[in-house]
Amino acid sequence: EVQLVESGGGLVQPGGSVRLSCVASGFTFSNNGMDWVRQAPGKGPEWVSYISRSSSHIYYGDSVKGRFTVSRDNAKNSLFLQMDSLRAEDTAIYYCARDSNYGYMDVWGKGTKVTVSS
Amino acid sequence: DIQMTQSPSTLSASVGDRVTITCRASQGISYWLAWYQQKPGEAPKLLISRASTLESGVPSRFSGSGSGTEFTLTISSLQPADFATYFCQHYNDYPFTFGPGTKVDVK
Repeated sequence: EVQLVESGGGLVQPGGSVRLSCVASGFTFSNNGMDWVRQAPGKGPEWVSYISRSSSHIYYGDSVKGRFTVSRDNAKNSLFLQMDSLRAEDTAIYYCARDSNYGYMDVWGKGTKVTVSS
Repeated sequence: DIQMTQSPSTLSASVGDRVTITCRASQGISYWLAWYQQKPGEAPKLLISRASTLESGVPSRFSGSGSGTEFTLTISSLQPADFATYFCQHYNDYPFTFGPGTKVDVK
């Protein structure tokens, strides 16, 4: 079964940092680019970041550029999102998603919740 | 950046109804559009890619059409499992963006 499992979310203070992880199983992880997508309460999804299969191409949404860093470890079937200088507006459920290699997301994890609050 | 809009924001319908949701892009995106379904407490689920290609396992009552800037998602005969929120997403270029969603609820 193809599966993505996120972890690392929680309560963090404004200005703080958190690192999210996503472990993939059921498919050859190195064959796909990966995305992070977030969803604030009551809002539509917001694409956050993309990393290509070999990490050679990385893109970020404007709202997180310069503060978030995406990386992956193909040997460990793992995707990461380092989130620094967090703001209240970063509060959301963060989903790890498999990129189809065309730009749409064909497999999603269940998400991990990040709350930025003092 | 390309902005996505959807209409209506909420749609009240009954089982068996034909339902149509519209998604518009602020500039042309060819066929690079996907549709997702999301139920409360769950992650989005891919329904359609490339504007009209049905994902494996998705019921044939779902269909997509359009190109350029205007797209539609149609449910030919609404079933109880279809009450959910639907989002469109463009993947023409980065940054990708999603529409604000259309909630289909019980009339």
